[in-house]
Parts: sequence; structure tokens; C-alpha cells
Amino acid sequence: QQQVKQSPQSLIVQKGGISIINCAYENTAFDYFPWYQQFPGKGPALLIAIRPDVSEKKEGRFTISFNKSAKQFSLHIMDSQPGDSATYFCAASWGAQKLVFGQGTRLTINP
Amino acid sequence: NAGVMQNPRHLVRRRGQEARLRCSPMKGHSHVYWYRQLPEEGLKFMVYLQKENIIDESGMPKERFSAEFPKEGPSILRIQQVVRGDSAAYFCAGRDEAAGTGELFFGEGSRLTVL
Repeated sequence: QQQVKQSPQSLIVQKGGISIINCAYENTAFDYFPWYQQFPGKGPALLIAIRPDVSEKKEGRFTISFNKSAKQFSLHIMDSQPGDSATYFCAASWGAQKLVFGQGTRLTINP
Repeated sequence: NAGVMQNPRHLVRRRGQEARLRCSPMKGHSHVYWYRQLPEEGLKFMVYLQKENIIDESGMPKERFSAEFPKEGPSILRIQQVVRGDSAAYFCAGRDEAAGTGELFFGEGSRLTVL
């Protein structure tokens, strides 16, 4: 119940394409769903986050789609750029407690 | 990541030695979380602390590992009698309780190598 399952494990997208990463969770008590971006040798940094009262949130080229009934959420990166190449983690938490992270997706954007 | 200070950034220890990892969260952040990341894997929760209190240590191994966040000074993750399997990156994160966003601000990590 504490798990967040993320897919795919790795993803290669051409420059200008759309990158899509998916996550699924079991615990219906989760009320905060962030996505973190991590570059090699660095710590994770918050990219975008959503709460379950909305189905979509967009910030620039990054969009979270949230499906409460399916207990799934996804990250879409529009017009993907080589600088977006990084590892992306979805996560979930409830009541401002610990974040539970997915396994990560290594994204490579080919120029 | 700016503002959350972790040191040392890299630490090499021989089996049986002790490792001490330090974390100073951003000013005003009184909640600290420690996570462990193995190569090519996700972040695994270890412990959640407030000043002088351990709130949740459900992810911390029962033996050899301990953590503290004193009233003054940094949070410390201590690993006694290290083994090769402890080799990993250890990340600390702080949270602004007053902001109530749930966002965690991570440091750049301490990379422990056990020989």
C-alpha cells in the first residue's frame, strides 16, 4: 500500500517530442503527488506537483495528469529538449508525512 | 537544492568503521528527512525528524543506524560498523512546516563508499 509504481524504467525521445512517464499508487490516503527531477551527481529537485482535487496541472512545458479513480498520474514533457535528459521520480505522501518515491525513469532526449 | 547543506559530499570508509553524515536544512525548516539511494535505484525513506524528536524511523535499519536532529546544529545520520552494502548516496531533505506545501528541499547528497 505504501508503494508507488513508475514506468517506464528508461525512455528515449527525439528532440521536440513528447515524453510521458506514468505512476500508479494504491494508498487512497495520499493527497500530494510531486514529480522530482534529478541530474547525475545532484539531489532531486521539485519539478511540479498536484493535489487530488484537480485533474491536470500545467507549468510551462510540464503537465501532470491525475486520474483519481484509476489511482494513476503521469508527467508529460512537451517539446522535449536535450537539457531535459535526467532521471525523473514520481512520489506521493499524505498529511505532510514522508514522500514515497517511484523507482525512477531515466529520460534521454536525442538531439 | 540551494540552501540544504550536506557534508561530506564524498566519504570513504573501510568495513567496520563509522560514518557520520551531516545535514543543515534551509533556515526556518525544522523538519528533516533522510533518504538512501542505491545506484540506478529510487530514493528509499529512512527517517523523519523534527528538532530533538524522531517522528518516523520506519525505514531505518534496526541495527547500526541512528539519526538525530538536535536543538542546535545539523542533523546527523550515523552508521556504525559499516559494511559494503551501506555504499550509497544519502540525501537529506528539509520541509517548511509553516508553508504547508509538502515540498521537500533536497541537498546534493553524501556519497558513501565502503571498501
